[in-house]
Amino acid sequence: NAGVTQTPKFQVLKTGQSMTLQCAQDMNHNSMYWYRQDPGMGLRLIYYSASEGTTDKGEVPNGYNVSRLNKREFSLRLESAAPSQTSVYFCASSDGGLGRNTIYFGEGSWLTVV
Amino acid sequence: KQEVTQIPAALSVPEGENLVLNCSFTDSAIYNLQWFRQDPGKGLTSLLLIQSSQREQTSGRLNASLDKSSGRSTLYIAASQPGDSATYLCAGDSGGGADGLTFGKGTHLIIQP
Repeated sequence: NAGVTQTPKFQVLKTGQSMTLQCAQDMNHNSMYWYRQDPGMGLRLIYYSASEGTTDKGEVPNGYNVSRLNKREFSLRLESAAPSQTSVYFCASSDGGLGRNTIYFGEGSWLTVV
Repeated sequence: KQEVTQIPAALSVPEGENLVLNCSFTDSAIYNLQWFRQDPGKGLTSLLLIQSSQREQTSGRLNASLDKSSGRSTLYIAASQPGDSATYLCAGDSGGGADGLTFGKGTHLIIQP
């Protein structure tokens, strides 16, 4: 059971570099999300996609872009990485809107920007 | 804006004890409440989802309750085991798009063998 798969698991970037975090789910879920988790801040929603073809900003969208490539895949792009984007990133999916149904998380992507 | 607080931030108890983790929220219009478990270096695993019309949910040794009027949810763990050691997070959904799930910062639980 793959569930939600994220790549890469670890990445070190230099300030100003760009990169894309990939996420795929095999549960045929409509909704997908990107969160970041920082010490003392908890999890914060960056972007979400309620269905294929739609994306919406969450609490902390600045510095990020997303693409819902198809129903399975939802990518997060950092166009010009900044040290403030050092964090653990989690992709998640659910069959329905935020909080309506059980939400499934990936294993996380550890990103360090130096 | 919904705010979710979890107390205590950390808890260490001997194996076999029953324990309660607390979660409080500021907006009584909360729609759903979920409890998650997070192991070190891992993602979150959903434990229990209490939907709007429900007041509690049970799964094995876990029982979660939701009292919207007092702005509280509790997670009860019966007969704790060392394998229960993890961080437990609660998250509330206020039913509004991007304002959806708001997470608490978690309770770090250690069960001593």
